[in-house]
Amino acid sequence: SQTIHQWPATLVQPVGSPLSLECTVEGTSNPNLYWYRQAAGRGLQLLFYSVGIGQISSEVPQNLSASRPQDRQFILSSKKLLLSDSGFYLCAWSVPRLNTEAFFGQGTRLTVV
Amino acid sequence: GNSVTQMEGPVTLSEEAFLTINCTYTATGYPSLFWYVQYPGEGLQLLLKATKADDKGSNKGFEATYRKETTSFHLEKGSVQVSDSAVYFCALLKSGGSYIPTFGRGTSLIVHP
Repeated sequence: SQTIHQWPATLVQPVGSPLSLECTVEGTSNPNLYWYRQAAGRGLQLLFYSVGIGQISSEVPQNLSASRPQDRQFILSSKKLLLSDSGFYLCAWSVPRLNTEAFFGQGTRLTVV
Repeated sequence: GNSVTQMEGPVTLSEEAFLTINCTYTATGYPSLFWYVQYPGEGLQLLLKATKADDKGSNKGFEATYRKETTSFHLEKGSVQVSDSAVYFCALLKSGGSYIPTFGRGTSLIVHP
């Protein structure tokens, strides 16, 4: 069966520090991959999505970036964090080219101090 | 473009009350429709889904019927429990293009004993 792993679960980082959040999917090939952010009391904001290795589409311009170095690995990064980057980050995957559901990781709670 | 509109929350109910959370969508063609549930501090879990008009998705006592004529997918449960307290997201996925899930803003449900 397919599983998605996201880590770390919780992270406290100072302003100006770098960020690296990792997400991996097991049990499937060539998944669509997504990074969402959820601010406190708000809905889901799509940050990046990827349909293949090295193919990244950005939905919201900001100081975050994403990379997909391997088929089932998706990384969210920042060179210098801002206070406004605090939030709950969710990775998700779905089967490509089908109207099926997206499956979510457990999320990373990022607090920038 | 595609969009999902959910009723504003929070919805506050007493245990064993009837629940309705409204969801309407805008999309061309025939999207698949989903309800996700998010418990505090966790990622999103698929609750139920429907892939074509008049389909009824159901799970854990929750139901929602895909109504194309009213472009709606309202979530219902006959008797809520305290453990149902969570945030509920309505979502759609439209085939073609990038297959990016579109989410509503989420509705918080609070159930009191």
